Amino acid sequence: GNSVTQMEGPVTLSEEAFLTINCTYTATGYPSLFWYVQYPGEGLQLLLKATKADDKGSNKGFEATYRKETTSFHLEKGSVQVSDSAVYFCALVPRVGNTGKLIFGQGTTLQVKP
Amino acid sequence: DTEVTQTPKHLVMGMTNKKSLKCEQHMGHRAMYWYKQKAKKPPELMFVYSYEKLSINESVPSRFSPECPNSSLLNLHLHALQPEDSALYLCASSQGRMLRTEGTEAFFGQGTRLTVV
Repeated sequence: GNSVTQMEGPVTLSEEAFLTINCTYTATGYPSLFWYVQYPGEGLQLLLKATKADDKGSNKGFEATYRKETTSFHLEKGSVQVSDSAVYFCALVPRVGNTGKLIFGQGTTLQVKP
Repeated sequence: DTEVTQTPKHLVMGMTNKKSLKCEQHMGHRAMYWYKQKAKKPPELMFVYSYEKLSINESVPSRFSPECPNSSLLNLHLHALQPEDSALYLCASSQGRMLRTEGTEAFFGQGTRLTVV
């Protein structure tokens, strides 16, 4: 079946540290991949996406590259800020079937300390 | 305007009450969604509407009744809920139901935090 696995959190970093949140997936064919962010008390915001292999999504200093060889879509940021503290969800939409359904990972909580 | 607006933001209801959650978007999107999110968990899909017709019901109990009066509005009618239904209810919309092609990503609202007492 289709699934997304994220590294368990919480991830605690100091301001300006380098961030990596791991995400791997299982899917039939080549899915579209997404990172959503949820700030405390809010809904989800689309952070970035990639729709085919080797695509790099980027936004607000965050990046993720679609790696079909390793079935991964790791989220990175070179220098985190306190305002980046949130829950990050990796998600996929399968290439076949299941149209309309985002399949989410369990989420990774990021805490950035000043 | 990339906004999905949900009302109310907070709702407390008794187990015998009837209430409704509302969702509105003005992006011209033709697919709209209801998700349920429990604390520290990812969102779970409940319903998908495409062109104002219900296309996916993820085996949701009948005490949750969705309605799509027009292409901009989505309601979720609640009746005889249980305390375990307390959660954040998220509405989302997208250009199309496919979600996997460029420009069809889903946009989420801020959610309605529901407490059933």
